Amino acid sequence: GAGVSQTPSNKVTEKGKYVELRCDPISGHTALYWYRQSLGQGPEFLIYFQGTGAADDSGLPNDRFFAVRPEGSVSTLKIQRTERGDSAVYLCASSQYGGRGTKNIQYFGAGTRLSVL
Amino acid sequence: AQTVTQSQPEMSVQEAETVTLSCTYDTSESDYYLFWYKQPPSRQMILVIRQEAYKQQNATENRFSVNFQKAAKSFSLKISDSQLGDAAMYFCALSSNTGKLIFGQGTTLQVKP
Repeated sequence: GAGVSQTPSNKVTEKGKYVELRCDPISGHTALYWYRQSLGQGPEFLIYFQGTGAADDSGLPNDRFFAVRPEGSVSTLKIQRTERGDSAVYLCASSQYGGRGTKNIQYFGAGTRLSVL
Repeated sequence: AQTVTQSQPEMSVQEAETVTLSCTYDTSESDYYLFWYKQPPSRQMILVIRQEAYKQQNATENRFSVNFQKAAKSFSLKISDSQLGDAAMYFCALSSNTGKLIFGQGTTLQVKP
């Protein structure tokens, strides 16, 4: 597709369960970002991939959160032992080169709304 | 630490009128980029306008323009000739050296017909 695709668009799970959220970036974009947006707030950075490697994972809140990008394209955000406080919209963005600068225009997907009951 | 503050949780404008959304930021870096993103109910963030900090000239994109005051660390967005389709949540964002975006809390813009 032409844009960033995130699946599923909505996910409802029970406390303690494991979930995976998928992001399919724009073809050819080397940089991929995950953000978390709580209700009524601005997005907060979680992790940044440059190619296959995590260049900055300083935003991951704890070790229950993990993300991978094994082939430098699709990324999966994994959350273990989900808690009610994990409920939020998880946004993914990709950019052509990453880093700072005018070439780092980030294009966002529509997000996955995670609800932990 | 880098921070972005939007002090207007909600704003309202009459269709065809002009509205200004405020944003202040803090950073110790000399080279950075600022952005305004629009988020409609569909949740997808859409880039409205961007500004390079080293450029003195204010960015403009059709009906959207910014007032960038570097010394005051202020970056406001002006929307001229407001349209019903402009109604959305607007986020101001600052780009760090890794490119990650630091967002403000957002301003909900209502456009009245």
